[in-house]
Amino acid sequence: EAQVTQNPRYLITVTGKKLTVTCSQNMNHEYMSWYRQDPGLGLRQIYYSMNVEVTDKGDVPEGYKVSRKEKRNFPLILESPSPNQTSLYFCASSERDREIYGYTFGSGTRLTVV
Amino acid sequence: QKEVEQNSGPLSVPEGAIASLNCTYSDRGSQSFFWYRQYSGKSPELIMSIYSNGDKEDGRFTAQLNKASQYVSLLIRDSQPSDSATYLCAVKGGANSKLTFGKGITLSVRP
Repeated sequence: EAQVTQNPRYLITVTGKKLTVTCSQNMNHEYMSWYRQDPGLGLRQIYYSMNVEVTDKGDVPEGYKVSRKEKRNFPLILESPSPNQTSLYFCASSERDREIYGYTFGSGTRLTVV
Repeated sequence: QKEVEQNSGPLSVPEGAIASLNCTYSDRGSQSFFWYRQYSGKSPELIMSIYSNGDKEDGRFTAQLNKASQYVSLLIRDSQPSDSATYLCAVKGGANSKLTFGKGITLSVRP
């Protein structure tokens, strides 16, 4: 089954404790992206990757890091989480340079930072 | 900054009625337009895409695009309670294939 898999689904952590949210897709998509979704603010892009070893900032990159060492994986790293990073996070993937394609989203990770 | 605007809602319609959802966008260079449905606590699910001016129909859903007016809409015919969800308008364009989302509108279909 074609899918984007995120883990974990739920995570509660403490301020300052480094964490990684994993994302993997099995569709051989070049393009991957991370979004966060907050009430009243909608979906906002954090980082994106056009292909292996190619990443760039989205609209709200502060406090996040990403890497793209393999085509299928695009982990999101919070080096020192803070309470304002409490949010619902989605990983998404798409074929690159194909304007006609929308994104396929993962199931989401609900992160709470206390 | 590219912007995608949706009516704030919520929108409530009776079962069997037509629900009309509207969206405007600021970037004239936008090429592709999408409607996603999102149930509470779930991930967005693509339901319609449209690239050319005019109407595109898929079952009970019709997407309408007017690039001159920078306007895209979604009509849901014969609305069902299962259509109750948040609908997100998304616009794609530019070198980085970025998808920019509106804030969404919550639709409630009353039995």
